[in-house]
Order: sequence, then C-alpha cells, then structure tokens
Amino acid sequence: GNSVTQMEGPVTLSEEAFLTINCTYTATGYPSLFWYVQYPGEGLQLLLKATKADDKGSNKGFEATYRKETTSFHLEKGSVQVSDSAVYFCALLSFSGSARQLTFGSGTQLTVLP
Amino acid sequence: DADVTQTPRNRITKTGKRIMLECSQTKGHDRMYWYRQDPGLGLRLIYYSFDVKDINKGEISDGYSVSRQAQAKFSLSLESAIPNQTALYFCATSEPGTPSDQYFGPGTRLLVL
Repeated sequence: GNSVTQMEGPVTLSEEAFLTINCTYTATGYPSLFWYVQYPGEGLQLLLKATKADDKGSNKGFEATYRKETTSFHLEKGSVQVSDSAVYFCALLSFSGSARQLTFGSGTQLTVLP
Repeated sequence: DADVTQTPRNRITKTGKRIMLECSQTKGHDRMYWYRQDPGLGLRLIYYSFDVKDINKGEISDGYSVSRQAQAKFSLSLESAIPNQTALYFCATSEPGTPSDQYFGPGTRLLVL
C-alpha cells in the first residue's frame, strides 16, 4: 500500500539555522506530494505541493522537490524563524477504490529558539 | 470567523458513553472528512463524505459512525466510547477538483476514561 515516512522529531534549531525535514514515500503510480503545517492549537494548513517528478513546491521560504528516483520530498528552509515552530506533515495523494485520499506521515515537531 | 469550526473543542467522557463531535463549514465545499491524530501516527482517515448522500468509510472506521446533515455539517459519533479512542479529532473540507487542498478545523481533543 501507500505510505509516507518522515524523520522523527523533535527537531530543535536556533533562529536563522538551515532546516531539512526528510520525507520518503511508497506509492503505486504517480502520486502528488504535499507538506502540511500545524501551528500550536490549530488544524493543519497546506504549506506546499508538487504534482509530478522534478517539480519544486515553495511557500513562505520553504521548498521541497519531488524526486522520483529517490522517492523523496524533503522540506527545506534556508533560515528558520521562531514563528516556524510547528508540526510538519508530509503527505501523498493516493487512490483508494474510487476516491483520492491523503496519506499522512507521522509528523515532525520543529522548535526554533531565539 | 473560522471557515471550519468544530464543537466541542475539548471533551472528557467515560467508557461506554455515546458522544458526538460536530463540524460546520462556511466554505461551500461538497467534501468533508473526519480524521484522528495520535502521537507518532500522523492523521488517519475515519470517514469521508462527497456530498449529503455519499458517505464512505476510511482507514479506521470501526467504532465510529457519521451523519451528513447538510452540505455544511458533518458529525462524528462514538456509539460506545473506549479509552483507545482518546485522540485529537479533526474535520476537514475540500472541493472535488482539489482533494489535496483540505481545510482543517481546529480539532477536538477527546479523553475517554
């Protein structure tokens, strides 16, 4: 079946540090890939997405490139801020019967210290 | 005002009790979803609905039921709550053409004693 594996957290960084959160996937066919972010006390929000191989999704300084050869979609940011502290979820869009459903990774907690 | 609201935000109940979690949306989306979030497991889909007459089981529907009372309302029920249903529950909505662009409510934290 389809699955998403994320690096385990928590991740703690100082402000302005470089961020990488690893994500790899297993899927049949050609899934679309996503990163969602969950700020404390809130629901998930779509951060960025990529729908085909070699596509790069980007938003709010975050980037992720869809690598089909390594089945990866790692999230990166060049300089994190305290306000980036949140839980980040990698996800893929898969088919289940007649429906397309999101499959989420387990989430990675990021804490950025001033 | 929030586009997707959930009530209650927090709930403590006892084993065997019936409980209902409610979700309302003002986005006008046809599709609605219920997920549960457990530490280290991410989000898992419980039920989803493509419109008022279309209800589908997700990955972990056992022990749960749902009702789509209107386009804007989607309720999740635990007929007889058990402790391993203690979790954070999220409702989400999306449009048919963009199932990945889901809009989540703030969540309901449920504790079953």
